Amino acid sequence: LAKTTQPISMDSYEGQEVNITCSHNNIATNDYITWYQQFPSQGPRFIIQGYKTKVTNEVASLFIPADRKSSTLSLPRVSLSDTAVYYCLVGGDNYGGSQGNLIFGKGTKLSVKP
Amino acid sequence: GAVVSQHPSWVICKSGTSVKIECRSLDFQATTMFWYRQFPKQSLMLMATSNEGSKATYEQGVEKDKFLINHASLTLSTLTVTSAHPEDSSFYICSARVGQSGNTIYFGEGSWLTVV
Repeated sequence: LAKTTQPISMDSYEGQEVNITCSHNNIATNDYITWYQQFPSQGPRFIIQGYKTKVTNEVASLFIPADRKSSTLSLPRVSLSDTAVYYCLVGGDNYGGSQGNLIFGKGTKLSVKP
Repeated sequence: GAVVSQHPSWVICKSGTSVKIECRSLDFQATTMFWYRQFPKQSLMLMATSNEGSKATYEQGVEKDKFLINHASLTLSTLTVTSAHPEDSSFYICSARVGQSGNTIYFGEGSWLTVV
């Protein structure tokens, strides 16, 4: 069971870069790391996924060190609309609830201020 | 990304009645779908894993006779809350795995259930 640990909350200001780190000390060899964003009363939205090193897309970057025991989601130049809860999920090719691969942690509540 | 749609977005039902929530994968086939519930200001709690053509796998503490899950096709899973009680009021979210061995999960918009 790859349990994840994230900070409960973070504050930032508009235009700043925000880095949210997730710890997953017992990540398995075939596990991927996926980050989601959730607004109130909405389902989580896929942000980015990676296995190792660095992944970048149009909205974020994901940094994964060589030991893969943690990962950092980087949001460049956040805006007020980025205020949301961010979750990291660790799971492998064989996703299955009974294996604990889709167990959500508490997430990180990001508050962006003007 | 892939699109997962839930219906209805919100529903109000009377105690003792049953209500069905649908989850559809619109642009891909999903052999596996997952159902979550989320209470206000809390994280998502996995309820069950729905596999196309077979019985759902329920997480510990989730009553399978109360939360009926059917995954009859590769694009549709349904969650039926039977004999609903006010404590069943919650935000229910489904998700679907892309492909048979894909490791990306996409979520629906969620469905608010209020039992009065």
